[in-house]
Amino acid sequence: KNEVEQSPQNLTAQEGEFITINCSYSVGISALHWLQQHPGGGIVSLFMLSSGKKKHGRLIATINIQEKHSSLHITASHPRDSAVYICAVAGRDDKIIFGKGTRLHILP
Amino acid sequence: EPEVTQTPSHQVTQMGQEVILRCVPISNHLYFYWYRQILGQKVEFLVSFYNNEISEKSEIFDDQFSVERPDGSNFTLKIRSTKLEDSAMYFCATWWTSGANVLTFGAGSRLTVL
Repeated sequence: KNEVEQSPQNLTAQEGEFITINCSYSVGISALHWLQQHPGGGIVSLFMLSSGKKKHGRLIATINIQEKHSSLHITASHPRDSAVYICAVAGRDDKIIFGKGTRLHILP
Repeated sequence: EPEVTQTPSHQVTQMGQEVILRCVPISNHLYFYWYRQILGQKVEFLVSFYNNEISEKSEIFDDQFSVERPDGSNFTLKIRSTKLEDSAMYFCATWWTSGANVLTFGAGSRLTVL
């Protein structure tokens, strides 16, 4: 059974700080997704990774397949980054398992 | 930008009633998923659908649930006899394993069972 663990569960930081959210999983995967869920409930896909690193604006996502670990970084954090960030892994059986999410709150 | 459209956005129903939630996926996407999120809890996988059949389902997806593509485009989730604990936000997502490879979610359908 594939388990997805995220840390931290909650994170409060000051505007401008560098943010790191971690995700670990337990079995082989075909892809890993980082998702953002805003207070209104809508879910947006930020990245899909199967190896290496991706960057989009102030967001950077990395994955280490051997270590079964991924990180999402936010540089120069801003209050509008406040949201729940969810790691979701796609197994080889088409099932996508979600982590519990990290609730990020950026203070102005 | 292509969107996944879900209807209704909110449905209130009495316990024991049948509910159908609808999803219009992105046209060239091949993988379809239903998820649910009970208020305050994490998103849970319900079912994946590929090539017009269920490819994987979770233990939540019991005989009360069914999915189909009635007209080859819409993707529906039916709950035959709703229970109070079915109250949740239901998300449809679609994915195509090439191109941008982005898992695209609909805005969700909130189901309230009274």
